[in-house]
Amino acid sequence: GNSVTQMEGPVTLSEEAFLTINCTYTATGYPSLFWYVQYPGEGLQLLLKATKADDKGSNKGFEATYRKETTSFHLEKGSVQVSDSAVYFCALSAFNQAGTALIFGKGTTLSVSS
Amino acid sequence: SAVISQKPSRDICQRGTSLTIQCQVDSQVTMMFWYRQQPGQSLTLIATANQGSEATYESGFVIDKFPISRPNLTFSTLTVSNMSPEDSSIYLCSVQIRGSSGNTIYFGEGSWLTVV
Repeated sequence: GNSVTQMEGPVTLSEEAFLTINCTYTATGYPSLFWYVQYPGEGLQLLLKATKADDKGSNKGFEATYRKETTSFHLEKGSVQVSDSAVYFCALSAFNQAGTALIFGKGTTLSVSS
Repeated sequence: SAVISQKPSRDICQRGTSLTIQCQVDSQVTMMFWYRQQPGQSLTLIATANQGSEATYESGFVIDKFPISRPNLTFSTLTVSNMSPEDSSIYLCSVQIRGSSGNTIYFGEGSWLTVV
């Protein structure tokens, strides 16, 4: 079946440190891959996405590359800020009975200190 | 993208009561979904809201507990029936938008329910 596995958190970094949050997936077919972010007390926001192998999604300094050979979509940022503190969810699109929906990883909490 | 508005944004509910959450989208969309996020957990799909027909529920979710309406392409409701403390969660409405680079799913800000 379809599934997403994220690295366990929490991840604690100092400001300006390099960030990697690992995400691997299992899927039939060729899903689209997404990273969503949830800031404290808020809903879910789309951070970036990639729809096919070797695509790189990027937004707000975050990047992730769709790696079909390793079934991975790791999130990276070169220099994190305190404002990046949030929960990050990796997700893939999958077909269900009704059409398409998202399968989410368990989320990784990032805490950045100044 | 789409602007998705949910009401209520937060509520404290008494055990045994029911609450209806509304979701309004600023454009017509084919696919609307309802997700649940229990405290400290990831998101789980409850059902796909189908316009003009019964919702399609995921395993573990039933219509009697989570009745859904979808009267048109911009609006849906989710009712959480006969609530218990275990239903304390964030309930999120989401929509699928078809774009040039494929389909993307966007979320409302969620309805944060606490059952006491």
